[in-house]
Amino acid sequence: GENVEQHPSTLSVQEGDSAVIKCTYSDSASNYFPWYKQELGKGPQLIIDIRSNVGEKKDQRIAVTLNKTAKHFSLHITETQPEDSAVYFCAASGASGGSYIPTFGRGTSLIVHP
Amino acid sequence: EAQVTQNPRYLITVTGKKLTVTCSQNMNHEYMSWYRQDPGLGLRQIYYSMNVEVTDKGDVPEGYKVSRKEKRNFPLILESPSPNQTSLYFCASSLWTGDNEQFFGPGTRLTVL
Repeated sequence: GENVEQHPSTLSVQEGDSAVIKCTYSDSASNYFPWYKQELGKGPQLIIDIRSNVGEKKDQRIAVTLNKTAKHFSLHITETQPEDSAVYFCAASGASGGSYIPTFGRGTSLIVHP
Repeated sequence: EAQVTQNPRYLITVTGKKLTVTCSQNMNHEYMSWYRQDPGLGLRQIYYSMNVEVTDKGDVPEGYKVSRKEKRNFPLILESPSPNQTSLYFCASSLWTGDNEQFFGPGTRLTVL
């Protein structure tokens, strides 16, 4: 089955700096790569996603890049703000074995210091 | 408002006492799933359902049961809870497969003594 590795587990930055979170996956059949943000006491919420036919996608201060050959994808947050502090999860899913079970990384706790 | 609801939000119980966590979505989604979240382990899928009366095991199904009698509801059943099932549980739904944005509920914090 799919295996998703996420790094770092904790990331501490100063307000205004950029933050980068990286994920690798193992199943070449995976074709959907979402990123979720989980604020304290809440369920995860999708912030951006990318499919395998696209190399990069941007939405205001966040962007995701995908390298299918190397099987890794990254989340980039520019001009970080204190409200970006949360746990971020990457995931990978696709038609491996006929099912579409998403596999999540273990999460990155992002702390943005004012 | 489009949402996924779970009940209860918090539950403390004892080993062996059967319990059910309810999940309901109002978005007419085909796909629903249950996850557990444990420190350092991220989100792991317990069971999922592609449609009414269609359910399948995820990565960690042992000790859990589910049913999907109606499209909107997907309850999680613990027939005989054990302390290793103490966790934070999330229900999620998406339009069709898990290959799309998933909408998560607010979570249920379960403690089994």
